[in-house]
Amino acid sequence: RKEVEQDPGPFNVPEGATVAFNCTYSNSASQSFFWYRQDCRKEPKLLMSVYSSGNEDGRFTAQLNRASQYISLLIRDSKLSDSATYLCVVSFMDTGRRALTFGSGTRLQVQP
Amino acid sequence: SQTIHQWPATLVQPVGSPLSLECTVEGTSNPNLYWYRQAAGRGLQLLFYSIGIDQISSEVPQNLSASRPQDRQFILSSKKLLLSDSGFYLCAWSVRWSGVQNTEAFFGQGTRLTVV
Repeated sequence: RKEVEQDPGPFNVPEGATVAFNCTYSNSASQSFFWYRQDCRKEPKLLMSVYSSGNEDGRFTAQLNRASQYISLLIRDSKLSDSATYLCVVSFMDTGRRALTFGSGTRLQVQP
Repeated sequence: SQTIHQWPATLVQPVGSPLSLECTVEGTSNPNLYWYRQAAGRGLQLLFYSIGIDQISSEVPQNLSASRPQDRQFILSSKKLLLSDSGFYLCAWSVRWSGVQNTEAFFGQGTRLTVV
């Protein structure tokens, strides 16, 4: 089982739509959670951190469910510029690995 | 502000040739440094991470090695490249792990390596 699993998509949605991505992680000792955005042939960039209480940044809302071991990203009022691959990122602390573990990403295509 | 530089942006190398990719960070001290690889259409695979000078941890057995000769310099090397080494190599840094939780990582622009 992968440590971080995401639906690869693609999610094809019209402009203005609301779309949600889920991500599951295997290690209950995970401590830190993030969503990154990666444009085609570019480096990943931090979109937002995910806090236990959930957090919102403009049209983006992130949620964490520790009991079920998943995090989600909700994008409201999708824009063409939201088209990208969204990477779920988790930090596993009990392995001693001091690095982030990335999911394979979910591709979003927003269509006019 | 902090910046990370990675070069070259693209590289085409023949099988069996050596490799050296360099990454430097500015504007911060004692960063954690990372090398990731992303194969075409795949996720990011952690190759190496470093918490200090000459302190390198390898995540997967492979044809590559890493070195950190200075606090803000991280180098990825290979003595003889394989076809399977092709991919998008990304250097990243994060604030030194505080012992509580890892912070977010910031990436360089990446090196697209094609081994032919």
